[in-house]
Amino acid sequence: GENVEQHPSTLSVQEGDSAVIKCTYSDSASNYFPWYKQELGKRPQLIIDIRSNVGEKKDQRIAVTLNKTAKHFSLHITETQPEDSAVYFCAAPKGGGNKLTFGTGTQLKVEL
Amino acid sequence: KAGVTQTPRYLIKTRGQQVTLSCSPISGHRSVSWYQQTPGQGLQFLFEYFSETQRNKGNFPGRFSGRQFSNSRSEMNVSTLELGDSALYLCASSLGVHEQFFGPGTRLTVL
Repeated sequence: GENVEQHPSTLSVQEGDSAVIKCTYSDSASNYFPWYKQELGKRPQLIIDIRSNVGEKKDQRIAVTLNKTAKHFSLHITETQPEDSAVYFCAAPKGGGNKLTFGTGTQLKVEL
Repeated sequence: KAGVTQTPRYLIKTRGQQVTLSCSPISGHRSVSWYQQTPGQGLQFLFEYFSETQRNKGNFPGRFSGRQFSNSRSEMNVSTLELGDSALYLCASSLGVHEQFFGPGTRLTVL
């Protein structure tokens, strides 16, 4: 089945630094890769996603890159701010429809 | 547009009981997926309903079931509750395929 591995499990950066979270997937048929941010006690929020027909997508301080050959995709956050502190999840679809397999999450802490 | 809503937000049940959770998707969205979130297992897919039909199913026992109504609202039911069913149950709605937006979740505690 679809496995999604996510690294690192925890990441601590200084405010203003960049943060990178990496995920690998196993199903070569996967064609959509979302990233979710979950603050403590809140719902996961879709922050950015990428489809398999592009290699990179940016939205202000966040970007996602996709390497289909290597089957991995990454989240990049630049100029990190304290409000970026949260758990970030990557995901990939399994089969048709909206079944998503999630990575195990990365606890990002942005320190002042 | 109003976001995804879930009721109730919190539930406390005892082992052996059953529970029904409700999810109202974003207006116009026809797909509703359910996920279980626990500290140990993370986010795991339960099932997806689209136009009142189950379109996908995860690897959960038959005690977990769901349905979707003609207005796209969905319910999930867990029968014969076990301690291990304690979790945050999240539903997510989608217009079609892929972009999913989560509700606030129902926190279920089984004593």
